[in-house]
Amino acid sequence: KAGVTQTPRYLIKTRGQQVTLSCSPISGHRSVSWYQQTPGQGLQFLFEYFSETQRNKGNFPGRFSGRQFSNSRSEMNVSTLELGDSALYLCASSLLAGGDNEQFFGPGTRLTVL
Amino acid sequence: AQSVTQLDSQVPVFEEAPVELRCNYSSSVSVYLFWYVQYPNQGLQLLLKYLSGSTLVESINGFEAEFNKSQTSFHLRKPSVHISDTAEYFCAVLTGANNLFFGTGTRLTVIP
Repeated sequence: KAGVTQTPRYLIKTRGQQVTLSCSPISGHRSVSWYQQTPGQGLQFLFEYFSETQRNKGNFPGRFSGRQFSNSRSEMNVSTLELGDSALYLCASSLLAGGDNEQFFGPGTRLTVL
Repeated sequence: AQSVTQLDSQVPVFEEAPVELRCNYSSSVSVYLFWYVQYPNQGLQLLLKYLSGSTLVESINGFEAEFNKSQTSFHLRKPSVHISDTAEYFCAVLTGANNLFFGTGTRLTVIP
């Protein structure tokens, strides 16, 4: 069974631009969560989608948004990029919603904002 | 609110020596705790978790962690480490909103 895939793996953008990251969960998994990982802040929860609905959201500004499609694939969008948005963005899928279910992580998308 | 603290950002240890990675939590609700491991250039993998029952939980690769309510701790231990254990280890707690709150991570470096 294929694991969680994220595209692209690396991305370089400039301030003010917007970016879309994609995540394909493990087949059969209906929950997708997104995390931002930085050296200073560690792993921070962005949001979780289940059955195309956002069921949970972390403490990030409205520039960060996401969605989930009927095939459970998810996209994350960041608008008006800032230097501080440079990070590794990790996607995780699980069979059911909720952090108590084992989450399977993808390799991440490394975003660099110049 | 739930949170976890990993006091040690880096832990170097010689091969075949024992290791303990510390994790302390704070929670006002039922405590569910997790350890995840991140190998270089990879995503995170679940190592072990405590949801209920026995306070000592074990992973398949020799790690164990003990839930200690009185000390609000969930330290990760291994009696003898291998080079392949070199990785970053994250402790996490389930929040009241049912998402994971991760600690800042501990980088374990096993020295040959």
